[in-house]
Amino acid sequence: QSALTQPASVSGSPGQSITISCTGTSSDVGSYNLVSWYQQHPGKAPKLMIYEVSKRPSGVSNRFSGSKSGNTASLTISGLQAEDEADYYCCSYAGSSTYVVFGGGTKLTVL
Amino acid sequence: QVQLVQSGAEVKKPGASVKVSCKASGYTFTSYGISWVRQAPGQGLEWMGWISAYNGNTNYAQKLQGRVTMTTDTSTSTAYMELRSLRSDDTAVYYCARGLATSPNSFDYWGQGTLVTVSS
Repeated sequence: QSALTQPASVSGSPGQSITISCTGTSSDVGSYNLVSWYQQHPGKAPKLMIYEVSKRPSGVSNRFSGSKSGNTASLTISGLQAEDEADYYCCSYAGSSTYVVFGGGTKLTVL
Repeated sequence: QVQLVQSGAEVKKPGASVKVSCKASGYTFTSYGISWVRQAPGQGLEWMGWISAYNGNTNYAQKLQGRVTMTTDTSTSTAYMELRSLRSDDTAVYYCARGLATSPNSFDYWGQGTLVTVSS
């Protein structure tokens, strides 16, 4: 059982927007603005898409955005494209004892 | 360009140890930390621990405490992860990842992964 809870799957049609939620607790997501999101295509290493809740690394499309409210963080992908089909993982800092926790992952299907 | 290149696949018997290397290039090695993340077949990502390449400080996931050791060799810009007393459920792809200085859970560059298979 993962520390952060994500939906197992989401889907959308090309051009649409989707949102993936990531629910933690007051010990991780709720306490720190240190939520990151990763995209992983089959057989590939994960890729950083969002860090510190809403910041995008250089080279990441502005179709990807992040937000947080309370103990829940969200990743929104607008203008869905076929290449966005992948697994997405959220990740949070969880303090000096637990340090880092991941969500269980969400499989995005572009219909 | 930043690169993290990991050692090759390993097959180990239960009870044995494995040591995976991660050679960094394209940046100042001691300015960043390295985390290790593993992924069992068909499963999600699991954070294993972190090491500062600056001073060697470490922080390990509680479930792996006592079985894992992370080290660095600054002379070769290489990080190592050793896992002992291997079990079948340690079978996974092991990744090293560079952590952003300001955000301990933000990994901007990843190695290609090393498959470790534990089987009798």
